[in-house]
Amino acid sequence: EPEVTQTPSHQVTQMGQEVILRCVPISNHLYFYWYRQILGQKVEFLVSFYNNEISEKSEIFDDQFSVERPDGSNFTLKIRSTKLEDSAMYFCASSVGLAGGNQETQYFGPGTRLLVL
Amino acid sequence: KNEVEQSPQNLTAQEGEFITINCSYSVGISALHWLQQHPGGGIVSLFMLSSGKKKHGRLIATINIQEKHSSLHITASHPRDSAVYICAAAMNRDDKIIFGKGTRLHILP
Repeated sequence: EPEVTQTPSHQVTQMGQEVILRCVPISNHLYFYWYRQILGQKVEFLVSFYNNEISEKSEIFDDQFSVERPDGSNFTLKIRSTKLEDSAMYFCASSVGLAGGNQETQYFGPGTRLLVL
Repeated sequence: KNEVEQSPQNLTAQEGEFITINCSYSVGISALHWLQQHPGGGIVSLFMLSSGKKKHGRLIATINIQEKHSSLHITASHPRDSAVYICAAAMNRDDKIIFGKGTRLHILP
C-alpha cells in the first residue's frame, strides 16, 4: 500500500542552524501539507502546497520557514535558523484532492522528530 | 477560544466497552477528520467525513453539521485501541485544518 515517507526520523541540531526535513508524498497526490506537534501539545497546521505554490499557511509559518518541491517526488520543509522552540515532531501529509485538498483524506508520514539544542 | 473542542481529554475503559469520543467545532467546516496517534507518535487517518456516518470495522464516525458536532465510536474496545484520538476540522474559509487537543484512550485488558 502506498505511504508517505519522511527523512530523517530524528534530527538534532544547534540553535541557529538550517535544517531541511524531507517528505516523499504518495505519487498520485496533488496536495501536500506540513504540520508540527510540540511535545505534549496538539498538532498544528503549518502550510499547504498545491500546484507548486503555497495555498495556505499559518501564523507559525513565518519567514524562517520555506517549502519546496524540488523534483517530482520530494516535498521539503526548510527552517533557516532554528530556534529552541522549533523542537517538535514534524509531520508531512498528502492528499489526492484537486480543488480543495481538505475534501480528501490526508495520509500522514511517520514524522521527523527535531531537537534544537 | 478553541475552535475545535474534544471530550473527554482522557478515557480509561475495560476491554469490550463501547467508547464514545466527542468533538465540537465553532466554525463552518468543509470536512472533519478523525485521526489516531499511536504512542510512538505516528498519525493514522481514520475517517474524513462531511455528512452522515462512516463505518470501518469496529469504528464508527458520525457528524451533525447543524449542531457542529461529531462523534467517534469504538465497539468492543480492545487494548490495542489505546491511543490518542484527534479530531481535526477543515475550515470552510481557507485551506487550514484546526486540530483538537486529542482524547487519550486507555483500554484495560
